[in-house]
Amino acid sequence: GAVVSQHPSWVICKSGTSVKIECRSLDFQATTMFWYRQFPKQSLMLMATSNEGSKATYEQGVEKDKFLINHASLTLSTLTVTSAHPEDSSFYICSASDYRGPNTEAFFGQGTRLTVV
Amino acid sequence: GDSVTQMEGPVTLSEEAFLTINCTYTATGYPSLFWYVQYPGEGLQLLLKATKADDKGSNKGFEATYRKETTSFHLEKGSVQVSDSAVYFCALSDWSNFGNEKLTFGTGTRLTIIP
Repeated sequence: GAVVSQHPSWVICKSGTSVKIECRSLDFQATTMFWYRQFPKQSLMLMATSNEGSKATYEQGVEKDKFLINHASLTLSTLTVTSAHPEDSSFYICSASDYRGPNTEAFFGQGTRLTVV
Repeated sequence: GDSVTQMEGPVTLSEEAFLTINCTYTATGYPSLFWYVQYPGEGLQLLLKATKADDKGSNKGFEATYRKETTSFHLEKGSVQVSDSAVYFCALSDWSNFGNEKLTFGTGTRLTIIP
C-alpha cells in the first residue's frame, strides 16, 4: 500500500505554546487528508477533512481557530495546535487519499502523541 | 449519528489460540465495514473490509462477516501468532458521506499474543 509519513511521532510542549504536526504522502498525490484525535480509552474521532488548496471542513465541536489545518500541496498537510493546553494532550493521526470514487482506500500515518505540560 | 462499539481490551492469548474481537455498529445509511490494524510504531493499516450485508472480508487468516441482522462485524482468526500482537480498530463508513474514507472508529482493542 501507499505510505503516509507523520512527524513527529511524539512531542511534549509547554502550556501556551503551539505545536505543528506534519502529514506527508510519500508516493501518491493526496487530494484529501483527514485528521483524527483519540483520547485515552475513547474512539478515534474525526476532527477535520482537508482538500488540497481549499479550507478544511471541521467536525462539529472542533475549534478551527485552535486546530489550524493547512493542505497547501498534494503531498503535505499540517495540523497546528495553537496555544496548547493540557486538555489538548491526545493522540493525533492523519490519513490521506487520492479520492477516485467510492471505496477508495485512505492510508494512515503512524500518529503523533502530544503531551502538554 | 453513526457509531461503533468494540470489545474492550486488552486481550491476551497464547499462541495458536482462537481469536474473536467483537464489533457492533449503528448507522443511518448503508455502511461499509472495516478492520484496521496498528502494529507498534506504525500507522493504521487496512486489514479487511466488507461493503454489503453477508459479505465476508478476509486477509492474513483473519475473517469478518457483515451481519446486518445483528449489526455486527466480529473479527476472528483460528490460530493466532505472536506477530499478530497489535491494536485492532473496527470502523465504518457511511455511503451518504463524502467518498468512502470518512471513517467512524471503535476504541481499538490491544491484542497481545504470548508464546
